[in-house]
Amino acid sequence: EVQLVESGGGLVQPGGSLRLSCAASGFTFSRHAMTWVRQAPGKGLEWVSAISGIGENRYHADSVKGRFTISRDNSKNTLYLQISSLRAEDTAVYYCAKGIVDSGNYYHFDYWGQGTLVTVSS
Amino acid sequence: DIQMTQSPSSVSASVGDRVTITCRASQGIRSWLAWYQQKPGKAPNVLIYAASTLQSGVPSRFSGSGSGTDFTLTISSLQPEDFATYYCQQAHSFPLTFGGGTKVEIK
Repeated sequence: EVQLVESGGGLVQPGGSLRLSCAASGFTFSRHAMTWVRQAPGKGLEWVSAISGIGENRYHADSVKGRFTISRDNSKNTLYLQISSLRAEDTAVYYCAKGIVDSGNYYHFDYWGQGTLVTVSS
Repeated sequence: DIQMTQSPSSVSASVGDRVTITCRASQGIRSWLAWYQQKPGKAPNVLIYAASTLQSGVPSRFSGSGSGTDFTLTISSLQPEDFATYYCQQAHSFPLTFGGGTKVEIK
């Protein structure tokens, strides 16, 4: 059974940092692209970052470029998002998700985690 | 960046109705389009990918069509569990982008 479990969210002050983790199981992790998508309260889905299966390609939305870094450790079946210089507008539920096709570079997503809430407030 | 425009933003429908949601890309994306369903407080769930491929386990009343810039998600006979918000997403190029969402409400 495929499972994605996010952790690391919480309340952080503006300008602060967090590292989000997504522990994966039930599939060959290194064969699938992974992504982070966020959703601010009452708003739609916003793509944040994506990484290819073996990590050779990384992509970030302009809104987070230079502040967020996606990475993965295929030996630990874990996806990460290092987030820094946080702003109020980064407040959202952050979801990790798995690429549907095991090509390593397929960016439609089938399984999603339950989400972890990041709240940026003083 | 490729902008994804969904319409309508909301629709009121009854059980048994046929519902059609459209998604237009600001430039051609071939068939690099997925549709997701999201219920309140839950993660999204993929329905269709590659514009028309039904994800395993998704009921056949859902179908997708289109290529290039214009795409459609059709629910052939709306069921009570289908009341939710639907999003399209392009994977033709980065940054990946989602449509603004279509909320399907009970009439």
